[in-house]
Amino acid sequence: AQSVTQPDIHITVSEGASLELRCNYSYGATPYLFWYVQSPGQGLQLLLKYFSGDTLVQGIKGFEAEFKRSQSSFNLRKPSVHWSDAAEYFCAVALEYGNKLVFGAGTILRVKS
Amino acid sequence: NAGVTQTPKFQVLKTGQSMTLQCAQDMNHEYMSWYRQDPGMGLRLIHYSVGAGITDQGEVPNGYNVSRSTTEDFPLRLLSAAPSQTSVYFCASRTDRGGSPLHFGNGTRLTVT
Repeated sequence: AQSVTQPDIHITVSEGASLELRCNYSYGATPYLFWYVQSPGQGLQLLLKYFSGDTLVQGIKGFEAEFKRSQSSFNLRKPSVHWSDAAEYFCAVALEYGNKLVFGAGTILRVKS
Repeated sequence: NAGVTQTPKFQVLKTGQSMTLQCAQDMNHEYMSWYRQDPGMGLRLIHYSVGAGITDQGEVPNGYNVSRSTTEDFPLRLLSAAPSQTSVYFCASRTDRGGSPLHFGNGTRLTVT
C-alpha cells in the first residue's frame, strides 16, 4: 500500500545539537515531497519541498532535506537546533497531480536546554 | 491579508447533530481541501475542490459533505455527527499549480459526545 512513514514519534535533542528527522515513502514514481511544521494550536507551515533536480533542498528557518531515490527517503536536517524549533514535523507526499497530499504520522521534537 | 480563515475554533456536538465548519480564503486560490488530524495518524484528506462547482473525495470522506459555490468558500458539513468524528479539522488552499504549497487555517477542534 502507498504510505508515508515517519519512524520516530518523539525526538529529544539538546539546544545547539544537530537534528535529523526521518521520512520514507512507498510510491512507484518520484512524487512531490514536502516537510511541514506545526506549532501547538496552529495550522501547518511549509518548511521546504522537492520536485526534481538537486536532491538537497534548502528551506526556511535553517532546515534542509535530502532526497535519496534509492532509499525512498526524504530526511529533514538542521545543523544546530534552537529552542523555538520545538514543534511537530510532518513529511508529506503529493499524488494525483498534487490534488491529494498524504501525510506521515508526524514527529514531535522536544528541545532541551 | 487574512489567508485561510476557519470558524468556529471550537465546537461541541451531541451524537446525531449536524453542523457546518466554515472555511474562507482571500488569496484567489482555485484549490481548497479539508483534512482531519488525529493523534498518531497525521492529517488525512476528507474532500477537496479544484475550483467552483468541482469537488472530489479524499481518503476519509464518509460522513462529510462539501460544496464549492464560490472560489472563496469551502464549507464542510457533518450531517449526523458521530463520536468517531471528534478531531481537529484543517482547511487548506493553494494555487492551481500541482506542486504549490498548501496554506492552512488554524483549525477547528470538534468534540462529539
